Amino acid sequence: EPEVTQTPSHQVTQMGQEVILRCVPISNHLYFYWYRQILGQKVEFLVSFYNNEISEKSEIFDDQFSVERPDGSNFTLKIRSTKLEDSAMYFCASRGQTGDYGYTFGSGTRLTVV
Amino acid sequence: GDSVTQMEGPVTLSEEAFLTINCTYTATGYPSLFWYVQYPGEGLQLLLKATKADDKGSNKGFEATYRKETTSFHLEKGSVQVSDSAVYFCALSERGNKLVFGAGTILRVKS
Repeated sequence: EPEVTQTPSHQVTQMGQEVILRCVPISNHLYFYWYRQILGQKVEFLVSFYNNEISEKSEIFDDQFSVERPDGSNFTLKIRSTKLEDSAMYFCASRGQTGDYGYTFGSGTRLTVV
Repeated sequence: GDSVTQMEGPVTLSEEAFLTINCTYTATGYPSLFWYVQYPGEGLQLLLKATKADDKGSNKGFEATYRKETTSFHLEKGSVQVSDSAVYFCALSERGNKLVFGAGTILRVKS
């Protein structure tokens, strides 16, 4: 079964550093998403991406965040200057253009900001 | 805006007990509804989904029926196993846009 692949699985970074989280969506999917889950809390939407541009973003997705699809396979989330409160599990998801809107999630990247 | 409300957990059951996790939603249109499961230390896995009223989603013994009249999508399983211990998230999506998740319900099954 096709998978969404995320790397790294765990990243530790110092406050103020830039991090890039990487995702390889399912190859024929067209819609890409980032979500985050602070430990023990609900899963929150960050941003959606379609046709090489952001289609929607949440209040969380401020100027410190950016997304990019640098080539035909990768989808990245960059946090420019990390804060302690950015520590969370970050999930990438993708979906095709079928009518049942089947979203597939990656296994997540646990980001720890120290 | 759209929202999803789930029953608070944790829910603790003995093996072979009947499970119900309540989920209700608020949406402006006619959303698709989902249940996702998160096992300890893992990501989100789609458990089942329903795209229109009266649809029943089912998978691995779990079922949920899309009830438009009560705006609900309750998750049920007739006989739970220890391996079902996980966090269960109800979610909705309108017209294929972002998923909106409930807070999640922790299920603990004792042998």
